Amino acid sequence: GENVEQHPSTLSVQEGDSAVIKCTYSDSASNYFPWYKQELGKGPQLIIDIRSNVGEKKDQRIAVTLNKTAKHFSLHITETQPEDSAVYFCAASPRGFQKLVFGTGTRLLVSP
Amino acid sequence: KAGVTQTPRYLIKTRGQQVTLSCSPISGHRSVSWYQQTPGQGLQFLFEYFSETQRNKGNFPGRFSGRQFSNSRSEMNVSTLELGDSALYLCASSLGPETEAFFGQGTRLTVV
Repeated sequence: GENVEQHPSTLSVQEGDSAVIKCTYSDSASNYFPWYKQELGKGPQLIIDIRSNVGEKKDQRIAVTLNKTAKHFSLHITETQPEDSAVYFCAASPRGFQKLVFGTGTRLLVSP
Repeated sequence: KAGVTQTPRYLIKTRGQQVTLSCSPISGHRSVSWYQQTPGQGLQFLFEYFSETQRNKGNFPGRFSGRQFSNSRSEMNVSTLELGDSALYLCASSLGPETEAFFGQGTRLTVV
């Protein structure tokens, strides 16, 4: 079955810096890759996603890139703000299903 | 538009008891998935339902079961509770397979 690895487990940056989180997946049948942000006491919030027919997607300060050949995808956050502090999860979903396989999460801390 | 509603938010049960958790998806969404989140195992897929049919099941024992009703609301049941079942149980709603999944706040289950 699918396995998703996520790095780093923790990431500390200064406000205004960029942050990059990387994930790799194992199953070439996966074709949907969402990213979620989870704040303390809340459920995961979808922040951006990408499908296997697209190499890059951007939404304001957030971007995701996908390399199907290498089976890895990355989240890029520019101009980080303290409110970006949270745990971020990548996930992969096989074609035809709504089953998400999650990475282990990255705790992002943005210091003022 | 109301989000995904999970009830109850918190639950304390004794070993050996059973529990039923409820999820009301976003209006118009027909797909519901359930996940278990623990510090040790992270976010793990439990089940996926679409139009009252279970389409996929994760690697959990038979004590974990679920169902979906004709109005797309879903319930999951855990019988013969064990201490290790203590977790945050999350429900995700989507229009259908391979579409964006939106999570509820979760039900925090504590087994004592």
